[in-house]
Amino acid sequence: GDSVTQMEGPVTLSEEAFLTINCTYTATGYPSLFWYVQYPGEGLQLLLKATKADDKGSNKGFEATYRKETTSFHLEKGSVQVSDSAVYFCALSDKGYSTLTFGKGTMLLVSP
Amino acid sequence: GAVVSQHPSWVICKSGTSVKIECRSLDFQATTMFWYRQFPKQSLMLMATSNEGSKATYEQGVEKDKFLINHASLTLSTLTVTSAHPEDSSFYICSASGGQGNTEAFFGQGTRLTVV
Repeated sequence: GDSVTQMEGPVTLSEEAFLTINCTYTATGYPSLFWYVQYPGEGLQLLLKATKADDKGSNKGFEATYRKETTSFHLEKGSVQVSDSAVYFCALSDKGYSTLTFGKGTMLLVSP
Repeated sequence: GAVVSQHPSWVICKSGTSVKIECRSLDFQATTMFWYRQFPKQSLMLMATSNEGSKATYEQGVEKDKFLINHASLTLSTLTVTSAHPEDSSFYICSASGGQGNTEAFFGQGTRLTVV
């Protein structure tokens, strides 16, 4: 079946550092790929998505590129802020946007 | 984005009792709602999918008699954990979608259930 593997956390960075959170997936078809973010005490919010190979999703300075050849969708940001501290979930769907398979989540902690 | 409200945020109950968790879409009609369970340091595991007015579709390994799901209206779905036991303690999250699968799902803030 489908699965998503993302790097273990927590990832601890200083403000303005470069961020990469790795995500790889296994799927039978050509899934859509997502990154969700969960801020403390809140629900999951869609951060960005990509629906086909080589698509780049971007939002709030974050970006991720759908790499079919490496089955990856790594999340990157050039300069993180304290307000980016949250848990980030990589997810896929091969049945539309709402039926999702999630990774375990990666906690990001950014210090001033 | 659209707002999904989940209530309560946390609940503690005694073993053997039942607990109801509500999931409401506040500003859109949710034709489909999803219930997830999240163990510590684990991913969100889909428990069931419900369409308004229909019986929920449960994922393999999820006891439908233990986790009762009702989606009686386009804005409300409930998950009832019946005869709860300590092993049911977990974080439960709902999401709601207004379309037929190809529209974004919006998530509630989750409910922390502790059974003592």
